[in-house]
Amino acid sequence: ETGVTQTPRHLVMGMTNKKSLKCEQHLGHNAMYWYKQSAKKPLELMFVYSLEERVENNSVPSRFSPECPNSSHLFLHLHTLQPEDSALYLCASSHGYNEQFFGPGTRLTVL
Amino acid sequence: GQNIDQPTEMTATEGAIVQINCTYQTSGFNGLFWYQQHAGEAPTFLSYNVLDGLEEKGRFSSFLSRSKGYSYLLLKELQMKDSASYLCAVRDQAGTALIFGKGTTLSVSS
Repeated sequence: ETGVTQTPRHLVMGMTNKKSLKCEQHLGHNAMYWYKQSAKKPLELMFVYSLEERVENNSVPSRFSPECPNSSHLFLHLHTLQPEDSALYLCASSHGYNEQFFGPGTRLTVL
Repeated sequence: GQNIDQPTEMTATEGAIVQINCTYQTSGFNGLFWYQQHAGEAPTFLSYNVLDGLEEKGRFSSFLSRSKGYSYLLLKELQMKDSASYLCAVRDQAGTALIFGKGTTLSVSS
């Protein structure tokens, strides 16, 4: 695998479910990011991890919980989501704060 | 507050030149990025400007004026595959976050 990978690519969940999104980067980067992309809205930064430490949490509801066990892996744990949370969730990584490389995203639908 | 403005849509024909503008008002500035995003795909990095002036990369060029809070992306010799959304993003003062505009959807026709 090369670049940034994300699994699953598509996810449908009910409001009471608990699920996790996974991101893995194979670029030797030391910073990782979660973004939310909704139709007609700009990419919204959710979380930033640098050297496995969270450095930014952009007022994201607690029903989204990130985890970064090492510099290559990033998770987004989801629980009791709302229909308005349906969106494309993109993971990205970078070396320092240089250009970010994005994964293909997980298309999430909350019923 | 943070605000980044881009036109929503643009159209052009194959072989033409198109300029996509971006204006920004942010509490800090530590560089401006342009990304390309095809429908259903991840954004891919195109260019980075931190100093005033023009950066050229093949058919794509990007310009920055920090005093005017303005950038543009210039695409030459347009091809059908250039049909995509073009995202302007400003890196904040702390350097950790990118603030994105809503993107400009470019449609290239033959």
